[in-house]
Amino acid sequence: GESVGLHLPTLSVQEGDNSIINCAYSNSASDYFIWYKQESGKGPQFIIDIRSNMDKRQGQRVTVLLNKTVKHLSLQIAATQPGDSAVYFCAEEITNFGNEKLTFGTGTRLTIIP
Amino acid sequence: DAGVIQSPRHEVTEMGQEVTLRCKPISGHDYLFWYRQTMMRGLELLIYFNNNVPIDDSGMPEDRFSAKMPNASFSTLKIQPSEPRDSAVYFCASRPGQGLSGNTIYFGEGSWLTVV
Repeated sequence: GESVGLHLPTLSVQEGDNSIINCAYSNSASDYFIWYKQESGKGPQFIIDIRSNMDKRQGQRVTVLLNKTVKHLSLQIAATQPGDSAVYFCAEEITNFGNEKLTFGTGTRLTIIP
Repeated sequence: DAGVIQSPRHEVTEMGQEVTLRCKPISGHDYLFWYRQTMMRGLELLIYFNNNVPIDDSGMPEDRFSAKMPNASFSTLKIQPSEPRDSAVYFCASRPGQGLSGNTIYFGEGSWLTVV
């Protein structure tokens, strides 16, 4: 029978273009957010993080935007390269002792077209 | 630093057998996490430790699963008896401290478990 699994949103971007991956987080009390990249056969790899007292943070070729009003997080990747092809996860956390649980979203599959 | 080290990388076992997954966190990290990843449920937190003490095991599926951290440099996740629905990738991860910027979680490469 047909297997049922998580339906990963997919995004295909031409090499060299910019990409934007979106994430809706669930808990308005979350105050720490991280983006992870997972390549096939590997563990999730940290990309960039942001705290709730910020609305934007930039790294090398990546920018994270946080909109707490609508509980939305986005990851912008500039000048995409083939190596950017992966599944991208957002994760949220409430940073209180005894509650250090990082909750992951379902992920978005990004494919860079050469 | 070598990062989080997991073993075995791949394991195929028969239903009913005991499975032990091992993890060495990054030296100096106070927190250790066990996650499970499946197509059906995505990435789920099973249990985490702070300074070798289990803090939250509410994600452990059932009594067949157990995790220990006898010291700061070693943890095990055990499944006994294993069932086909336990087939998944099991990730171990560690972090230096609480979730402040820079104290992110670092993942191992995962243990790919298949129960037949």
